[in-house]
Amino acid sequence: GDQVEQSPSALSLHEGTGSALRCNFTTTMRAVQWFQQNSRGSLINLFYLASGTKENGRLKSTFNSKESYSTLHIRDAQLEDSGTYFCAAINTGNYKYVFGAGTRLKVIA
Amino acid sequence: AQTIHQWPVAEIKAVGSPLSLGCTIKGKSSPNLYWYWQATGGTLQQLFYSITVGQVESVVQLNLSASRPKDDQFILSTEKLLLSHSGFYLCAWSLTHSQNTLYFGAGTRLSVL
Repeated sequence: GDQVEQSPSALSLHEGTGSALRCNFTTTMRAVQWFQQNSRGSLINLFYLASGTKENGRLKSTFNSKESYSTLHIRDAQLEDSGTYFCAAINTGNYKYVFGAGTRLKVIA
Repeated sequence: AQTIHQWPVAEIKAVGSPLSLGCTIKGKSSPNLYWYWQATGGTLQQLFYSITVGQVESVVQLNLSASRPKDDQFILSTEKLLLSHSGFYLCAWSLTHSQNTLYFGAGTRLSVL
């Protein structure tokens, strides 16, 4: 079946620093979506990409369908960025969204 | 603006008891609707999806069933709860055309004892 491999599984960042999260896909995906899940469990939409790169404030995401991966870059990390980040890939022609295992991000003062 | 409402917010139920969770979407006609389940500390597992009233497709079997009695309503239920049903249940919707951004509700926390 479709697989999404997300890395790293956990990450600690000092405030003001940055890092990248990555999702690799075992099959060709039509699009990818990135979410942040906060401590209450709410899933916040970050990006939806069918191709290319999008940027929003301190976050930037890229989706490369041909090479089957997507990245989420966080720069100048803030305490409120802490949470679990998920990518979800959408396969061509169906309504199944496959989620990665998540990256637990902790931002430290 | 579209709103998605899930009920109840949380439930504590006994093994073997029935369950019904609900989800309503307002402000969008004929959305695609989804149910997801998340174990504590785990990832999201898609359970069901529906693209129209009365039509529901199962993605994974967890001794649960889903129904879409109205265009804006999606129900998740079971006659007999298992301990393994504990977790966080999330309803989501997306548009029916090419950009299928998922929008999630606030979720229902279920504890089966």
